[in-house]
Amino acid sequence: DAKTTQPNSMESNEEEPVHLPCNHSTISGTDYIHWYRQLPSQGPEYVIHGLTSNVNNRMASLAIAEDRKSSTLILHRATLRDAAVYYCILWVVSGGSNYKLTFGKGTLLTVNP
Amino acid sequence: NAGVMQNPRHLVRRRGQEARLRCSPMKGHSHVYWYRQLPEEGLKFMVYLQKENIIDESGMPKERFSAEFPKEGPSILRIQQVVRGDSAAYFCASSPELISTDTQYFGPGTRLTVL
Repeated sequence: DAKTTQPNSMESNEEEPVHLPCNHSTISGTDYIHWYRQLPSQGPEYVIHGLTSNVNNRMASLAIAEDRKSSTLILHRATLRDAAVYYCILWVVSGGSNYKLTFGKGTLLTVNP
Repeated sequence: NAGVMQNPRHLVRRRGQEARLRCSPMKGHSHVYWYRQLPEEGLKFMVYLQKENIIDESGMPKERFSAEFPKEGPSILRIQQVVRGDSAAYFCASSPELISTDTQYFGPGTRLTVL
């Protein structure tokens, strides 16, 4: 399984930006980088994904390193509702099982009021 | 457009009983995935189904567990003769197509407690 490494936990203050890092040094050229988050007592929720270029959507931005061995999820202004576990996942295209999301332990983000 | 529905949200069973977990995918989605989340762990893939077909059940325990996605009705994850180690949150996800960049849409989960 393609492996990602994330800090166990991070803390932020409300209305400040948050940068959530992820290392994926074994990424293959065709693997997509996906981010999901899981709010307390809920199912995971898709946040954003990218391949090579930086990506923006209404929820967040994804900054991908030039060598693709790391990426950063950016929440521009954290709110209390953003407190969740954030998962960085490599969507492995090759191998015929590109439907399996492999969740690690993620980063628990705490947002202080 | 309603999201992925799962029921029941909470299920309590005694050891040896059967548990049936239901999942209704989003409208227009024909791909269903089941994941299990043990306490303090990440989600683990169990099984992938399309209508009337099991595509990949490599993540599902060989005994006591089965899954189906009939032509009509919800997908069912069935656990026979439950044991305490089956206590977990079971999440269902769906997607409209099987393409490499497709996102999966998750339901709220069923939390199974085995006494």
